[in-house]
Amino acid sequence: QSVLTQPPSASGPPGQRVTISCSGSTSNIGPNYVYWYQQLPGTAPKLLIHRINQRPSGVPDRFSGSKSGTSASLAISGLRSEDEANYYCAAWDDSLSGLVFGGGTKLTVL
Amino acid sequence: QVQLVESGGGVVQPGRSLRLSCAASGFNFSNYGIHWVRQAPGKGLEWVAVIWYDGSNTHYADSVKGRFTISRDNSKNTVYLQMISLRAEDTAVYYCARDDLMFGTTGVDYWGQGTLVTVSS
Repeated sequence: QSVLTQPPSASGPPGQRVTISCSGSTSNIGPNYVYWYQQLPGTAPKLLIHRINQRPSGVPDRFSGSKSGTSASLAISGLRSEDEANYYCAAWDDSLSGLVFGGGTKLTVL
Repeated sequence: QVQLVESGGGVVQPGRSLRLSCAASGFNFSNYGIHWVRQAPGKGLEWVAVIWYDGSNTHYADSVKGRFTISRDNSKNTVYLQMISLRAEDTAVYYCARDDLMFGTTGVDYWGQGTLVTVSS
């Protein structure tokens, strides 16, 4: 049971916009930065979004992050086949004194 | 460029010990905290431990507290994870990852390629 809650799956056809949610609490997402990672099969996670909505260089602007209260979202616009991957959200938890992750969302491009 | 390279994984019997290493390069190592995150086969990401930039503070997941110890040698740009009393449920790919903030602890930005630890008799 993950501390952050994500839907297990999401899907959409090429070109569409999809949103992945991440629900937390007042001890993690509420007061802290949210991070999003993309993990392709057999590879290490890659940072997509940090500090809620900042994209590292090299990450397309099709990816965007947002936060409202104790929830966060990752939006992917203009879906492409190469976006098929697992996506994880994360945030520091002040009560646990640890980094907490969502259970992951498997994105399928139909 | 930032690089993190893990080593030390392998097959170990339940109850035995193992030490993982994470060698860093491409950034000012002594300014950043380093985390260990693991991923069991077919499962999601699980945070394991963090050590502050200067080694002054450490935090652990409840699942490893008392069995795992994280340490660092800033003169060697290396972080270690000493694991004792290993259990089958510790089987996972172990990643080291750099904290996103200098002199702080928050999420992680750069990840290593991971090293596989298999606990089995």
